[in-house]
Amino acid sequence: DAGVIQSPRHEVTEMGQEVTLRCKPISGHNSLFWYRQTMMRGLELLIYFNNNVPIDDSGMPEDRFSAKMPNASFSTLKIQPSEPRDSAVYFCASSPGQPSTDTQYFGPGTRLTVL
Amino acid sequence: DAKTTQPPSMDCAEGRAANLPCNHSTISGNEYVYWYRQIHSQGPQYIIHGLKNNETNEMASLIITEDRKSSTLILPHATLRDTAVYYCIVSFYNQGGKLIFGQGTELSVKP
Repeated sequence: DAGVIQSPRHEVTEMGQEVTLRCKPISGHNSLFWYRQTMMRGLELLIYFNNNVPIDDSGMPEDRFSAKMPNASFSTLKIQPSEPRDSAVYFCASSPGQPSTDTQYFGPGTRLTVL
Repeated sequence: DAKTTQPPSMDCAEGRAANLPCNHSTISGNEYVYWYRQIHSQGPQYIIHGLKNNETNEMASLIITEDRKSSTLILPHATLRDTAVYYCIVSFYNQGGKLIFGQGTELSVKP
């Protein structure tokens, strides 16, 4: 298996622009998570989905952020409009969601820089 | 959710055992202890988890005290590639997998 796939790996954009981050979870996994990591705040859970349905979005910082999971093999995290303080590494993770374990498998991350 | 306390940093000599402590004094009866690590610039990686019994896998051993208020992750023969930030997390089993990461312990394995 290729693991969790994220694209792009690096994104540089200007303040005010729309940014879309993409994630392909491991095939067969039922849960998908979006995290953000910064030096100041560490690794923060933004939102997670179970069977394509958003379960908890309490970590989404504000209305500029939105996440979708139109099917079991694809999710997006959108920031519109972007701001310099959104600069961070964004990780996507998936888990089988089986009763035996909640192990999460993380992707390589997208490093976002907003100028 | 229960919170965890870990030392911010530790050193270990290559080839020696690395023992990483974690306090979780407010853990509830149905919360599991998970350990993940993050090697620089990579996504976090699952290591091991347990409820109350000691656990061992190919990567590490997890020792949980009888009162479950603390645990220790043991890397039996640390290598330079084990240099990473190690996170101890407590979470309800099968709670949709929601994990809250703290600051972790930065382990430096030195030659």
